Amino acid sequence: NAGVTQTPKFQVLKTGQSMTLQCAQDMNHNSMYWYRQDPGMGLRLIYYSASEGTTDKGEVPNGYNVSRLNKREFSLRLESAAPSQTSVYFCASSPTSLEQYFGPGTRLTVT
Amino acid sequence: GENVEQHPSTLSVQEGDSAVIKCTYSDSASNYFPWYKQELGKGPQLIIDIRSNVGEKKDQRIAVTLNKTAKHFSLHITETQPEDSAVYFCAASRDDYKLSFGAGTTVTVRA
Repeated sequence: NAGVTQTPKFQVLKTGQSMTLQCAQDMNHNSMYWYRQDPGMGLRLIYYSASEGTTDKGEVPNGYNVSRLNKREFSLRLESAAPSQTSVYFCASSPTSLEQYFGPGTRLTVT
Repeated sequence: GENVEQHPSTLSVQEGDSAVIKCTYSDSASNYFPWYKQELGKGPQLIIDIRSNVGEKKDQRIAVTLNKTAKHFSLHITETQPEDSAVYFCAASRDDYKLSFGAGTTVTVRA
């Protein structure tokens, strides 16, 4: 039981490039989430998916898109990366609308 | 939206002493309050949570208290050990899939 897995672990992009961050969970959880973590700011919700087939915006959705591919997988896409998107990105999943379980993170640098 | 403030931002304690972290929240409709521990290079890990119908909850050396009237909640760690050194985050939610996080407290346990 791996829990929540994320790929890649590290990524460096140039401004304007695109990429997709992958997340998968093997706990049969209904809801999944994407957060970004910046120094001194805690974690901020980008998008979430309450159940398979639904996605909703969080606090900081601009510049991102998401896809809930199936119950297990939830991807985050940056269409045109900007230096302001340099951050650590965490995926999480939850069996309900409450307790969330986080993956190990992806450290993204945009130059 | 919900605003969660967390204090102190850093906390240094002698091994064996207690550590207390305090959070305040703004939305009186919030009813779920988890605490996360994040070790260096890892994702946040849920360590304890409390619902609004409970005033206190304990799990071995950690406890959380909630004062709904004052809209604040606290994490108490007793008999601190070196492995308690980490960043701790509080969060609040009104059971709508959205967790609002505090900015974090870096706890250092001195041997």
